[in-house]
Amino acid sequence: QVQLQESGPGLVKPSETLSLTCTVSGFSISRAYYWAWIRQPPGRGLEWIGSISFSGSPYYNPSLKSRVTISLDTSKNQFSLRLTSVAAADTAVYYCARDRRDRPSSDYWGQGTLVTVSS
Amino acid sequence: DIQMTQSPSTLSASVGDRVTITCRASQSIGSWVAWYQQKPGKAPKVLIYDASILESGVPSRFSGSGSGTEFTLTISSLQPDDFATYYCQQYNTYSRGYTFGQGTKLEIK
Repeated sequence: QVQLQESGPGLVKPSETLSLTCTVSGFSISRAYYWAWIRQPPGRGLEWIGSISFSGSPYYNPSLKSRVTISLDTSKNQFSLRLTSVAAADTAVYYCARDRRDRPSSDYWGQGTLVTVSS
Repeated sequence: DIQMTQSPSTLSASVGDRVTITCRASQSIGSWVAWYQQKPGKAPKVLIYDASILESGVPSRFSGSGSGTEFTLTISSLQPDDFATYYCQQYNTYSRGYTFGQGTKLEIK
């Protein structure tokens, strides 16, 4: 069974870098699919941040592209998110998910992790 | 960027009702639309992909339709477990990115 789990700091200071890792079990991330990050500010809707292919090609939301990096660590079966120069507007629950490009949608999701940007 | 306008933002209905949620795209996107259900404190769950294909394990009372710029999610007979927030998601084949609709909160009347 495929499972995803986000990990990382729950509190980040303004102007600093948010770093999260998604650990995948039950499927090798280097074998197939894309791997996505999606966020949801408290009480608001979903926002796609970006995805990375199993071969390491990233695609980003244009509104965040200048601040975002998504990468794979196939040796640990993990993928990661870096978001630089964070502000209060980046406070959100961050989800990782498996992204199916042959049927564009995400079928497996992590439970989500709340990241608060505050000094 | 392609925008997705979802309506209504809130919908009040009763158990047994038939309800429809609509998403309109700012330009034609073929059939690249998925629908998700999200309950408080939980990750979204995919219900429909490719506009009308039911995800495995999802009850048949859920259905999707549409192509081009207008898409609908219909629940044929509301069950107590269906009260949640629903999101549409479009896939842009040119940019290879996704955009979500604003969400529809389905409440008990």
